[in-house]
Amino acid sequence: GAVVSQHPSRVICKSGTSVKIECRSLDFQATTMFWYRQFPKQSLMLMATSNEGSKATYEQGVEKDKFLINHASLTLSTLTVTSAHPEDSSFYICSAPTQIAGGPGTDTQYFGPGTRLTVL
Amino acid sequence: AQKVTQAQTEISVVEKEDVTLDCVYETRDTTYYLFWYKQPPSGELVFLIRRNSFDEQNEISGRYSWNFQKSTSSFNFTITASQVVDSAVYFCALSTFSSGNTPLVFGKGTRLSVIA
Repeated sequence: GAVVSQHPSRVICKSGTSVKIECRSLDFQATTMFWYRQFPKQSLMLMATSNEGSKATYEQGVEKDKFLINHASLTLSTLTVTSAHPEDSSFYICSAPTQIAGGPGTDTQYFGPGTRLTVL
Repeated sequence: AQKVTQAQTEISVVEKEDVTLDCVYETRDTTYYLFWYKQPPSGELVFLIRRNSFDEQNEISGRYSWNFQKSTSSFNFTITASQVVDSAVYFCALSTFSSGNTPLVFGKGTRLSVIA
């Protein structure tokens, strides 16, 4: 089945540094990918929509200058947390939708395994 | 606006008991998808089921079953004869079909603890 990978799975960094998270669709092309953030014991909240070949679309309240998204190819989107601070510590998950054979209305979202970011 | 409500924050059951996780959704779209995901302590989301709005048939997969009722905008999930390995957070989610490239709107999740 379709697989989405994320790297790294876990990162610990000092406050003020930048961290890059990669999201790859391994056996399908994704013109769109989504980035979610999940704080401890909370739900997943959409941060932004990553579009191949164009600018990302950010949800209200998400700073685009802080969370830089680059959809470099049809299989890779990156999220860079710039000048990270402890409040950015969270679980970041990407997803990619793909159409499954079987006719219209059968798209499915595949999620990466997530990246746990801890900012000291 | 779309919204998913999972009123049960935490549920605790004894092994072998049946448990139902509730999900109520809101959307103005006539075509939409409903999902259930399992999130074990590792954090990875495990896909359980996808149901489109035109298919109200209930579904059973092993110990799992889903009851979709458009009349009450509910998509409840039942685990029969629960096991300790079922302990996880379960999320109900919704997306529209207006485009295949739409994000999911998640409920807040229900934390299920199955005690041996």
